[in-house]
Amino acid sequence: EAGVAQSPRYKIIEKRQSVAFWCNPISGHATLYWYQQILGQGPKLLIQFQNNGVVDDSQLPKDRFSAERLKGVDSTLKIQPAKLEDSAVYLCASSLDANTGELFFGEGSRLTVL
Amino acid sequence: DAKTTQPNSMESNEEEPVHLPCNHSTISGTDYIHWYRQLPSQGPEYVIHGLTSNVNNRMASLAIAEDRKSSTLILHRATLRDAAVYYCILKRGSTLGRLYFGRGTQLTVWP
Repeated sequence: EAGVAQSPRYKIIEKRQSVAFWCNPISGHATLYWYQQILGQGPKLLIQFQNNGVVDDSQLPKDRFSAERLKGVDSTLKIQPAKLEDSAVYLCASSLDANTGELFFGEGSRLTVL
Repeated sequence: DAKTTQPNSMESNEEEPVHLPCNHSTISGTDYIHWYRQLPSQGPEYVIHGLTSNVNNRMASLAIAEDRKSSTLILHRATLRDAAVYYCILKRGSTLGRLYFGRGTQLTVWP
């Protein structure tokens, strides 16, 4: 079974530039999450989707971050404009059942903002 | 989100058992105890979870205190591949599957 796919694996940009990350969850998984992991810290939840609807985005910095999940499958996370403090690994996870299922994580996209 | 407390780091020798503790004194009756681990340069992976009773699977065992205020993840024979950050997380039914990670415990396994 294919796991959660993310791209790109690495991205280096300058501050004030924009960047987009893509996630393809495990087939059939209705719930999708984006997490931000800063070096030395645990992952921080940014947004949760159930199918193509947002369940929770309370920790998403909406002035610069946006995310969408068109058609309830793939998802993109965009940062515009990027700041130095956005340097982190962006992890995508999916689950079959939001209430009881385990989360399956991708390998992440590492962003460096110079 | 409910808080858990874990040691920052622990060490073990290969092929020895490892007991990773977690305190969660504010746990509520419907909170599940989940453990995930994160190997270097990878996303977290599920290890085990439980509610009240001790649980075993192919990766580990989870021992839950009778008052549920603490739990212990047990790796029966540590291998070098078990070196990772281990996260103890309380999963609330009201959060619709959302997991809130702390800093976890960095486990070092020596050959």
